[in-house]
Amino acid sequence: GDSVTQMEGPVTLSEEAFLTINCTYTATGYPSLFWYVQYPGEGLQLLLKATKADDKGSNKGFEATYRKETTSFHLEKGSVQVSDSAVYFCATGGGATNKLIFGTGTLLAVQP
Amino acid sequence: DVKVTQSSRYLVKRTGEKVFLECVQDMDHENMFWYRQDPGLGLRLIYFSYDVKMKEKGDIPEGYSVSREKKERFSLILESASTNQTSMYLCASMEAGGETQYFGPGTRLLVL
Repeated sequence: GDSVTQMEGPVTLSEEAFLTINCTYTATGYPSLFWYVQYPGEGLQLLLKATKADDKGSNKGFEATYRKETTSFHLEKGSVQVSDSAVYFCATGGGATNKLIFGTGTLLAVQP
Repeated sequence: DVKVTQSSRYLVKRTGEKVFLECVQDMDHENMFWYRQDPGLGLRLIYFSYDVKMKEKGDIPEGYSVSREKKERFSLILESASTNQTSMYLCASMEAGGETQYFGPGTRLLVL
């Protein structure tokens, strides 16, 4: 079945550092890919998404590119802030199934 | 803005009790979902519903049931709570044909 593998955390960075959180997927067909973010004490919210190969999703300075050849959707940000501290979830799915498959989540802690 | 609310943020119950977790969405979405979130396991789908009175099992339905009597409300029921059901429970909704799920803030359930 479909699955998502993302790098384990926690990831600890200093403010203004470069961020990469790796995500790879296995799926049948051509699913959409998502990054969701969960801030402390809150539910998940969509950060960005890409619906087809080579699409780049972007939001709040974060970017991820749908790479079909490497089945990857790595999340990047050029300069993180303390306010980016959260848990980040990679997910695949959408389409006819209406269901999402989530990775295990990566905790990001940004220190001032 | 889509709003998904959950009846309780924190809940403490005893083993064997019947537990009701309520979720309400205000955007007339057809699809609603219940997940549990556990460290190292990410989000796992318990049940989902694509219409009133319709439900489908997710990946881990054992020990749970659901009810969708009205479009805006999706209830998760633990018939006889057990300690291994201690977890964070997240509800989500999504419009028909959509891809973005909107999450509530979660209910942290402790079963003693």
